Amino acid sequence: QKEVEQDPGPLSVPEGAIVSLNCTYSNSAFQYFMWYRQYSRKGPELLMYTYSSGNKEDGRFTAQVDKSSKYISLFIRDSQPSDSATYLCAMTPGTASKLTFGTGTRLQVTL
Amino acid sequence: DAMVIQNPRYQVTQFGKPVTLSCSQTLNHNVMYWYQQKSSQAPKLLFHYYDKDFNNEADTPDNFQSRRPNTSFCFLDIRSPGLGDAAMYLCATSRDSGGASTDTQYFGPGTRLTVL
Repeated sequence: QKEVEQDPGPLSVPEGAIVSLNCTYSNSAFQYFMWYRQYSRKGPELLMYTYSSGNKEDGRFTAQVDKSSKYISLFIRDSQPSDSATYLCAMTPGTASKLTFGTGTRLQVTL
Repeated sequence: DAMVIQNPRYQVTQFGKPVTLSCSQTLNHNVMYWYQQKSSQAPKLLFHYYDKDFNNEADTPDNFQSRRPNTSFCFLDIRSPGLGDAAMYLCATSRDSGGASTDTQYFGPGTRLTVL
């Protein structure tokens, strides 16, 4: 079993839709959770960063962490074609710099 | 703008022919990382430098080596590339490994390596 599981997609939604992206994990030591966005042929860029359980909102993006279920989510409201990318979850215990990534979910927002 | 730069963006090499990938950063970060990312897979950490201290992942093949001559530059050397080494190689930096609030990693655009 992988430490971090993420549905690879692709996920195709119409413009304006609400998108839900998810990851599950098995290591209860993970405390810090990130979402990276990776456009085609580019490096990942940090989108959201959350510590422990709870919600964090930034514009159209909301990150949720449920540590009891070992489940994290990224919600995108009013999705735009420019949101089309691969979204990678990543997490770390916080005691070292090593991140454990999911395989990424490819999102396509259509006009 | 402060950034992470990787050169070249695309590299083609022959089976067994050594190749070097380059990364430079203007962020003045202490930590630099090299990841390997194959198609539809998670980035896989190969090694990282905390300042001059080299940290190799246990499962990184001996075929992969790295050098960090100064704070700004880091190189990935693949001594004898095999077909299985074809991938995107990502360089990343972070300010410090002492706490998660400073563990944000900033990635370069990657070098896509093709092995013929």
